[in-house]
Amino acid sequence: DGGITQSPKYLFRKEGQNVTLSCEQNLNHDAMYWYRQDPGQGLRLIYYSQIVNDFQKGDIAEGYSVSREKKESFPLTVTSAQKNPTAFYLCASSTGGSGEKLFFGSGTQLSVL
Amino acid sequence: ELKVEQNPLFLSMQEGKNYTIYCNYSTTSDRLYWYRQDPGKSLESLFVLLSNGAVKQEGRLMASLDTKARLSTLHITAAVHDLSATYFCAVDRYGGGSNYKLTFGKGTLLTVNP
Repeated sequence: DGGITQSPKYLFRKEGQNVTLSCEQNLNHDAMYWYRQDPGQGLRLIYYSQIVNDFQKGDIAEGYSVSREKKESFPLTVTSAQKNPTAFYLCASSTGGSGEKLFFGSGTQLSVL
Repeated sequence: ELKVEQNPLFLSMQEGKNYTIYCNYSTTSDRLYWYRQDPGKSLESLFVLLSNGAVKQEGRLMASLDTKARLSTLHITAAVHDLSATYFCAVDRYGGGSNYKLTFGKGTLLTVNP
């Protein structure tokens, strides 16, 4: 079955630690996105990528980093510079371009120990 | 900066009643999306509206788009408990080159009571 797989479902970060969230898709989509969801805040865009080896900062990129070495994969690293990382992180993909809906993964809940 | 505002943010309604959720946005766009999210779950696409005057219906939900007024509505007819969820609208935003990205509203938490 085609879809987007995020792992892990739950993740805990210690002070000063970097953690990486995985996002893999087998939909053959060109575009991939990372959103952060906080209660009552809706979704905010962290990073997005339209093609392999290229990505752009979203609205809240500080404290995060990404890579796009393969079309299928778009991992997100939450660095120690992100002082408030506790949130629900959603990965999405689309064929790209305007008018194309996003397909979302099941999300990763990140909490700070 | 594109702003997307939904209202109400919280909606409690009785089964069998009708209601409308509103989505206003601040800059020109003719691409608007509605998503549904169940608690602790991911987002599911409901509607994609691609032009002024577009109307789409699925079951008890109907969405419309007025690009001149920068307004989309999600109308709920004869609500049932299964419609309880958070509903998000999102608007396309041009990011330069061939890049487009969605800006989401804060969501409307809908609770349908028996």
